[in-house]
Amino acid sequence: QSVLTQPPSVSGTPGQRVTISCSGSESNIAGNYVYWYRQLPGAAPKLLIHRNNQRPSGVPDRFSASRSATSASLAISGLRPEDEADYYCSAWEESLGGPVFGGGTKLTVL
Amino acid sequence: EVQVVESGGGLVQPGGSLRLSCEASGFTFSKFAMSWVRQAPGKGLEWVSAISAGGTTYYAASVKGRFTISRDNSKDTLDLHMNSLRAEDTAIYYCAKGEVSEWLLRYGMDVWGQGTTVTVSS
Repeated sequence: QSVLTQPPSVSGTPGQRVTISCSGSESNIAGNYVYWYRQLPGAAPKLLIHRNNQRPSGVPDRFSASRSATSASLAISGLRPEDEADYYCSAWEESLGGPVFGGGTKLTVL
Repeated sequence: EVQVVESGGGLVQPGGSLRLSCEASGFTFSKFAMSWVRQAPGKGLEWVSAISAGGTTYYAASVKGRFTISRDNSKDTLDLHMNSLRAEDTAIYYCAKGEVSEWLLRYGMDVWGQGTTVTVSS
């Protein structure tokens, strides 16, 4: 059972917009930065969004994110087949002294 | 190019020990916190340990007292010494670079390695 709650899977067709939710609590998302990582099959996680809604250099503006109180969300617009991957949210957990992660959401592009 | 490369994984018996290493390049290693994150087969990500640029160490409760993280800023390397290994330690272990120097500033990790696989089994 992950500390942050994500839907196990989402799907969409090419060109569509999908969102992935991430639900936490006062001890993690509220008051701490949220990060989003993308993990392609068989690959390492890669930073997609940092500090709630900031895109690192090289990440297209099709990816956007927001945070509100104890939850966050990632939006992907203009869906492409290569977006198929697992997406993880993460935030600092006060009781742990380190980051916690969501269980991951598998995005399928139909 | 900023990158980190892990090594040292393998098969070890329960109760055994293993040392993982991470070699960093493309950035000033001594100025950033570093971390280990693991992923058990078919599971999600779990933070394991971190070390600030200054050398202060932090551990998840599941590994505290069994794992030791260390860094050599002269060689741009990060190590994870794992003792008393258990079956539940079986995972891919990722080395990850922190965004800032101090771990307790609550920032995340921006560069991850490809991982090294640890299997604990008799």
